[in-house]
Amino acid sequence: AQTVTQSQPEMSVQEAETVTLSCTYDTSESDYYLFWYKQPPSRQMILVIRQEAYKQQNATENRFSVNFQKAAKSFSLKISDSQLGDAAMYFCAYSLGPGGGSEKLVFGKGTKLTVNP
Amino acid sequence: DVKVTQSSRYLVKRTGEKVFLECVQDMDHENMFWYRQDPGLGLRLIYFSYDVKMKEKGDIPEGYSVSREKKERFSLILESASTNQTSMYLCASTQVTFSPLHFGNGTRLTVT
Repeated sequence: AQTVTQSQPEMSVQEAETVTLSCTYDTSESDYYLFWYKQPPSRQMILVIRQEAYKQQNATENRFSVNFQKAAKSFSLKISDSQLGDAAMYFCAYSLGPGGGSEKLVFGKGTKLTVNP
Repeated sequence: DVKVTQSSRYLVKRTGEKVFLECVQDMDHENMFWYRQDPGLGLRLIYFSYDVKMKEKGDIPEGYSVSREKKERFSLILESASTNQTSMYLCASTQVTFSPLHFGNGTRLTVT
């Protein structure tokens, strides 16, 4: 079974600094997708970034970027120029690709990010 | 924008009551999910549905059932609520699983 591990229950960063959240996963599949979701105190989970495993280029969305190391099964999230609004729970998630036979995401346990002014 | 609406934000029920959590999405998505979120445990999948009247057990289906009579609505049912079902419940939908999930705001259920 696929598993997702986030080894940092909590992280903190100073406003305007850079922080990296770690995520590792375990799978024997070659076609899959990886996601980072953000859950602010308002509770609405929103997608931050998505990475297709077949793409070697790391995904980037504005201040958010990933470091995808397929061989190491590592998928870290880097937040640059941190803002107070980045404070949230961050969840790493894994999904099989099309035709993979599974219709569900597997989530990590989350990392709580605090941004200090 | 896709909207996923959960009928209650907070709910307090007594042990043994039958509880219905409702979820409606407005984007004609095929797949709908119910997750349970507990501190330190992340999100755990209870049930999901990939079509009307179709359902699949997730990782923790015990004590729960679901109903999907219409494509836009996915209901989670606690047949006889117990205190260990006190939790945050999140509904989500997507057209295909490897596309981003769209989540509702969550229902915080307390069973006393």
